[in-house]
Amino acid sequence: EAQVTQNPRYLITVTGKKLTVTCSQNMNHEYMSWYRQDPGLGLRQIYYSMNVEVTDKGDVPEGYKVSRKEKRNFPLILESPSPNQTSLYFCASRPQGVDEKLFFGSGTQLSVL
Amino acid sequence: GQQLNQSPQSMFIQEGEDVSMNCTSSSIFNTWLWYKQDPGEGPVLLIALYKAGELTSNGRLTAQFGITRKDSFLNISASIPSDVGIYFCAGQSGGTYKYIFGTGTRLKVLA
Repeated sequence: EAQVTQNPRYLITVTGKKLTVTCSQNMNHEYMSWYRQDPGLGLRQIYYSMNVEVTDKGDVPEGYKVSRKEKRNFPLILESPSPNQTSLYFCASRPQGVDEKLFFGSGTQLSVL
Repeated sequence: GQQLNQSPQSMFIQEGEDVSMNCTSSSIFNTWLWYKQDPGEGPVLLIALYKAGELTSNGRLTAQFGITRKDSFLNISASIPSDVGIYFCAGQSGGTYKYIFGTGTRLKVLA
């Protein structure tokens, strides 16, 4: 089944403790992206990657890192999480092409205490 | 960052009623997408629009790409309880992979 898989689904952590949220897609998509969803603000892009070893900042990159060593994986790294990073996070992917569509994972609910 | 104005923010409707929601932008988009998010899940694509004036249906859902390319509309006919969720619009500018999302319309259907 074609899908975008995120792990974990839920995560509670404490301020300053490094964490990684994994994202994997099995559709051979070139483009992958991370979003955070907050009440009243919709989806805001954190980072995106056009292909392996090619990443760029989205609208809200502060406090986050990403890497794209393989085509299928695009982990989101929080080196020193803070409470304002408590949010619902989504990974998404799509193939190259003008009319291609964006597919989302099921989300990771992160709480930073 | 830029965001789309989506309205209404939330709505309660009776089962069987028709629903309308819209998104407006100060920027022109080449593509409009409409997503639905069920509780605890990621957004799922409902309809994609690629041309100004385009009207596209997916079952009871109909969406239109505004002729100014700055707005889009989604209609749901004869709503049912499983229509409950958050509906997001997203605009994409030509030649880019950047998506701008609306703030969502939370729909609740009363049986």
